[in-house]
Amino acid sequence: AQSVSQHNHHVILSEAASLELGCNYSYGGTVNLFWYVQYPGQHLQLLLKYFSGDPLVKGIKGFEAEFIKSKFSFNLRKPSVQWSDTAEYFCAVTSTSGTYKYIFGTGTRLKVLA
Amino acid sequence: DAGVIQSPRHEVTEMGQEVTLRCKPISGHDYLFWYRQTMMRGLELLIYFNNNVPIDDSGMPEDRFSAKMPNASFSTLKIQPSEPRDSAVYFCASSPFWGNRGGGDTQYFGPGTRLTVL
Repeated sequence: AQSVSQHNHHVILSEAASLELGCNYSYGGTVNLFWYVQYPGQHLQLLLKYFSGDPLVKGIKGFEAEFIKSKFSFNLRKPSVQWSDTAEYFCAVTSTSGTYKYIFGTGTRLKVLA
Repeated sequence: DAGVIQSPRHEVTEMGQEVTLRCKPISGHDYLFWYRQTMMRGLELLIYFNNNVPIDDSGMPEDRFSAKMPNASFSTLKIQPSEPRDSAVYFCASSPFWGNRGGGDTQYFGPGTRLTVL
């Protein structure tokens, strides 16, 4: 069965620190990959997505993610976090064939200390 | 575009009462999803529709939950009777058809309905 694993459930960083959040998926076929962010008290919104092409994807607010097919990974990165990046981050995967199935990871809560 | 619209934003009810949550997806989107979010269980997909037809309701917790989509611009999620363990934030999301590329596209989430069952 398809699954998405986010290894870090809680991350605490100081402002200006670098961020990397892990995401691994389990699926043998071709996938589309997403990172969503949920700021406190708000709904999920898209940070970035990967469908094909350059495996390094740039999103909003300085975030980027790298798709490494051999590792089934799609890690999210930001060189220097800000207090306003405090939020919960969700990785999601869909397959490109068969039944439409959109699978979210369990989320990583990031707290950035000012 | 106004985005995905959900109502009410907050609902407080007593155990045993019927609760109806409403969602208006983004015009032109072919897919509509209902999610439940709790601290304990995270984000759970309850059901999704394609062109108003329910495709996968395997996430609906029990028969007390039902969802309908009578037309392309409106969906409801009903809980009858409600129980305290149903307290959660319920999100509706819509997504466009992905065409020949295959796979799902971006989901656009509504603001959610925070349900409290006393």
